[in-house]
Amino acid sequence: QQQVKQSPQSLIVQKGGISIINCAYENTAFDYFPWYQQFPGKGPALLIAIRPDVSEKKEGRFTISFNKSAKQFSLHIMDSQPGDSATYFCAAPDSSYKLIFGSGTRLLVRP
Amino acid sequence: GAVVSQHPSRVICKSGTSVKIECRSLDFQATTMFWYRQFPKKSLMLMATSNEGSKATYEQGVEKDKFLINHASLTLSTLTVTSAHPEDSSFYICSARPPGQGRKTQYFGPGTRLLVL
Repeated sequence: QQQVKQSPQSLIVQKGGISIINCAYENTAFDYFPWYQQFPGKGPALLIAIRPDVSEKKEGRFTISFNKSAKQFSLHIMDSQPGDSATYFCAAPDSSYKLIFGSGTRLLVRP
Repeated sequence: GAVVSQHPSRVICKSGTSVKIECRSLDFQATTMFWYRQFPKKSLMLMATSNEGSKATYEQGVEKDKFLINHASLTLSTLTVTSAHPEDSSFYICSARPPGQGRKTQYFGPGTRLLVL
């Protein structure tokens, strides 16, 4: 019930395309859903986050779509760029503020 | 804002020695810091939760006598890998959570690459 399942494991997108990464959770008590971006050899950086009282949040080219009834949320990267090539993690904090991470998605944006 | 630093960024040590990694929240006070370990191409694995002024809480399977955590101030937590062995080689990352009941965001440090020879 504490798991966050993330897919796909890897993704290849052409420059200018849309990258879509999906996550699903079981615990209905989760109330905060961040996405982190990690470049090789670096720590994860907070990219965008959403609370379940809204269905969508957009920041620049990055959008989170949230479906509370399906217990799913997804990250959309519009106009994907080679510089977006990184590993993306979805997450949700439990009641003790520990982050439950998805398994990660390695995104490669081809020029 | 919300910058977390780690030092050193990478360290090479001999087997049997101890290594200390520092994690600092630079522009906010963090009552809670977390320590993670990450293997290549894997997700982050939580090792322990560090609360200022109290003992760290370790995740199941993490040896607390091997991975000593100290959170002596609101801006500094340290992880000491004692008697390091090659299997301890890994990427160690800390994170810090700003105080407040509703604050669930964690900000991560840049990580420390440990290589034990």
